[in-house]
Amino acid sequence: EAQVTQNPRYLITVTGKKLTVTCSQNMNHEYMSWYRQDPGLGLRQIYYSMNVEVTDKGDVPEGYKVSRKEKRNFPLILESPSPNQTSLYFCASSPRQGGEAFFGQGTRLTVV
Amino acid sequence: AQSVTQPDIHITVSEGASLELRCNYSYGATPYLFWYVQSPGQGLQLLLKYFSGDTLVQGIKGFEAEFKRSQSSFNLRKPSVHWSDAAEYFCAVGAQNQGGKLIFGQGTELSVKP
Repeated sequence: EAQVTQNPRYLITVTGKKLTVTCSQNMNHEYMSWYRQDPGLGLRQIYYSMNVEVTDKGDVPEGYKVSRKEKRNFPLILESPSPNQTSLYFCASSPRQGGEAFFGQGTRLTVV
Repeated sequence: AQSVTQPDIHITVSEGASLELRCNYSYGATPYLFWYVQSPGQGLQLLLKYFSGDTLVQGIKGFEAEFKRSQSSFNLRKPSVHWSDAAEYFCAVGAQNQGGKLIFGQGTELSVKP
């Protein structure tokens, strides 16, 4: 089954404790993105990747890192999480620029 | 700047009634346009998409949308709403030269009255 898989689905952590949210897609898509969803703001792009070893900032990159060492994986790293990063995070992949995105189930992160 | 506006934050319709969710966009070129639906606790599911051609597009679950270039709109419609359609709906524009980025509207929450 074609899918984007994120883990974990839920995460509660403390301020400053490094964490990684994993994302994997099995559709051989070149484009992958991370979004955060906050009430009233819709989804905002954090980082994106156009291919292996090619990443760039989205609209809200501060406090986040990503890497793309393999085509299928695109982990999101929060090296020193803060409470304002409490949000719902989505990973997505896309077969072409500007094309439809396929989303993971989301990761609800709470930073206390 | 590219943007997507969904003017209605929350809409309530009766089951069986028709539905129209509004979406307006601002984009320099012909956009790729999408509607997604998000049920509580779930990810986003693609309802339909417009790339080019026929401006009336059909999607899943009985939804359709019409691209109107002159009005910069891409409104979502359904002739008869079912209780299971209650969810949040997002309109999005594909940014063709920005690495696969989608620009999302703020979302419209749909409630369905029995």
